[in-house]
Amino acid sequence: GDSVTQMEGPVTLSEEAFLTINCTYTATGYPSLFWYVQYPGEGLQLLLKATKADDKGSNKGFEATYRKETTSFHLEKGSVQVSDSAVYFCALSRSNQGGKLIFGQGTELSVKP
Amino acid sequence: DGGITQSPKYLFRKEGQNVTLSCEQNLNHDAMYWYRQDPGQGLRLIYYSQIVNDFQKGDIAEGYSVSREKKESFPLTVTSAQKNPTAFYLCASRQHRVTTDGYTFGSGTRLTVV
Repeated sequence: GDSVTQMEGPVTLSEEAFLTINCTYTATGYPSLFWYVQYPGEGLQLLLKATKADDKGSNKGFEATYRKETTSFHLEKGSVQVSDSAVYFCALSRSNQGGKLIFGQGTELSVKP
Repeated sequence: DGGITQSPKYLFRKEGQNVTLSCEQNLNHDAMYWYRQDPGQGLRLIYYSQIVNDFQKGDIAEGYSVSREKKESFPLTVTSAQKNPTAFYLCASRQHRVTTDGYTFGSGTRLTVV
């Protein structure tokens, strides 16, 4: 079945460091791909998405490129801030499954000043 | 502004009691979802509904029940049959069949058994 695998956390970085959170997926066809962010005690917020191969989603300095050849959707940011500390979830959606989102297990990011 | 409202934010339940978590949306979305989140873990799907008066079990439906009598509302009841109900519960919605859109999530309800 479809699945999403994220790198394990927690990831701890210093402020202004470069961030990469790896995400790979298993799915047939052409799923849509998403990154969500969850701040402590809150729900999930959509961070960015990509709906077809080679698309790049971007928002708030974060970017991710839909790579069909490597079935990946890695999240990157050039310079993280303390306020980026949160849990990040990668997810996919396939149209022939009623569009249910399948989530990775989440990666906790902690940014130190 | 449109969004999803979950209430209450914190809920305490005694052993053997049923409790109902509220989820209301004014986004005119057809599909609604309930997820459970445990510390350090991902999201597990409990129930979902794609249209009014219809819903399907997710991966961990045992001990839970739902109803979908109105498009705007999708309440979740945690019954006494749920052995370990302490968790963070998240409700989400999306326009049905628009699979290129992500979900919109509520802010969650934290349920604790005392």
